[in-house]
Amino acid sequence: GAVVSQHPSRVICKSGTSVKIECRSLDFQATTMFWYRQFPKQSLMLMATSNEGSKATYEQGVEKDKFLINHASLTLSTLTVTSAHPEDSSFYICSAESPGTGILSNQPQHFGDGTRLSIL
Amino acid sequence: KQEVTQIPAALSVPEGENLVLNCSFTDSAIYNLQWFRQDPGKGLTSLLLIQSSQREQTSGRLNASLDKSSGRSTLYIAASQPGDSATYLCAVSAGGGNKLTFGTGTQLKVEL
Repeated sequence: GAVVSQHPSRVICKSGTSVKIECRSLDFQATTMFWYRQFPKQSLMLMATSNEGSKATYEQGVEKDKFLINHASLTLSTLTVTSAHPEDSSFYICSAESPGTGILSNQPQHFGDGTRLSIL
Repeated sequence: KQEVTQIPAALSVPEGENLVLNCSFTDSAIYNLQWFRQDPGKGLTSLLLIQSSQREQTSGRLNASLDKSSGRSTLYIAASQPGDSATYLCAVSAGGGNKLTFGTGTQLKVEL
């Protein structure tokens, strides 16, 4: 159980292109999903928290107009990297929080396999 | 601001050896701590989750301990195998919103 599917697994595109990454919880409903970014040989850094039916909450230093997040259903969140440039090349990973019993229950997060984005 | 550090950054051991990975965090006000495994170019696989009220969790050859007051956790791997080779990450959940702060990772290589 608790499978999270992330698509695509790899994207190579030209500078200026917008790229959409999908994150789906396959066998559970996720009110909250998270988007992380990982540079080579570094750890994961939280970019934003995606809440179903409301605006995403971005971490300090993350441009919300650059990284558009949409969480239109309980099983799907999307991250769109708008007008991508080479410095946006990175490994993007999403996670979905298991349903909990309370608002601050801090349930386990289940991670997708990541998307390797390469901007030429 | 929570900071999570893992020592060592890299570790190479012969097959069959028992080993310990270390994780330390600066703010002890956490909800839980998780250990993850990450294979090259892949996402994260959750190994163990310890709630703040717990001292340890076990799964197969893995045992994780938590000393919240001192801000430390260890992951013990018994009888290591080449298939255990991966990067191991610890992460703490603190504050509202279930935000995870990840450590820098330990890259483990188990050699035949």
